[in-house]
Amino acid sequence: QKEVEQDPGPLSVPEGAIVSLNCTYSNSAFQYFMWYRQYSRKGPELLMYTYSSGNKEDGRFTAQVDKSSKYISLFIRDSQPSDSATYLCATISNFGNEKLTFGTGTRLTIIP
Amino acid sequence: GAVVSQHPSWVICKSGTSVKIECRSLDFQATTMFWYRQFPKQSLMLMATSNEGSKATYEQGVEKDKFLINHASLTLSTLTVTSAHPEDSSFYICSARARGLNEKLFFGSGTQLSVL
Repeated sequence: QKEVEQDPGPLSVPEGAIVSLNCTYSNSAFQYFMWYRQYSRKGPELLMYTYSSGNKEDGRFTAQVDKSSKYISLFIRDSQPSDSATYLCATISNFGNEKLTFGTGTRLTIIP
Repeated sequence: GAVVSQHPSWVICKSGTSVKIECRSLDFQATTMFWYRQFPKQSLMLMATSNEGSKATYEQGVEKDKFLINHASLTLSTLTVTSAHPEDSSFYICSARARGLNEKLFFGSGTQLSVL
């Protein structure tokens, strides 16, 4: 079993829809949770970062962590064609540990 | 924001040659740099972790003699793929962790290596 599971998609939604992207993880020691956006043939860029359980909002993006169910989500409101990309969740137990554990990424396409 | 510059973005080489990929942190000191490999439609696979001035730590299954990593300064790390073969063709991405910004990992734009 992978430490982080993520549906690879692809996921296609019409412009303006709410997008929900999800990951599950198995290691209860994970405490920091990140979402990265990766455009084709580019390096990932950090979108959201959360610590422990809870919600975090940044513009149209909301990251949600439920440690009790080991479930992390990214919601995109009012989706735009420019949001079309691969979204990767990532997690780490502590930064002294150094290594992030990534999900496989979900390919998202927003249809104009 | 912090920028990580990775060069080249794209390289084609003949089998048996060596290729060097550079990763520079442009406006911050990178205490640690990471090298990843990514196959199409797959996630990032960590290859090695390097700290400035010390030997890189390689992940299990990664040949350290084939993938030479040098982290000579706080702003520069290089990955050299030695005696490249077609199976080494992949997308290589570096990332850098900024001193004082533990939660932030900044990625380079990646290098697409194609070995003929």
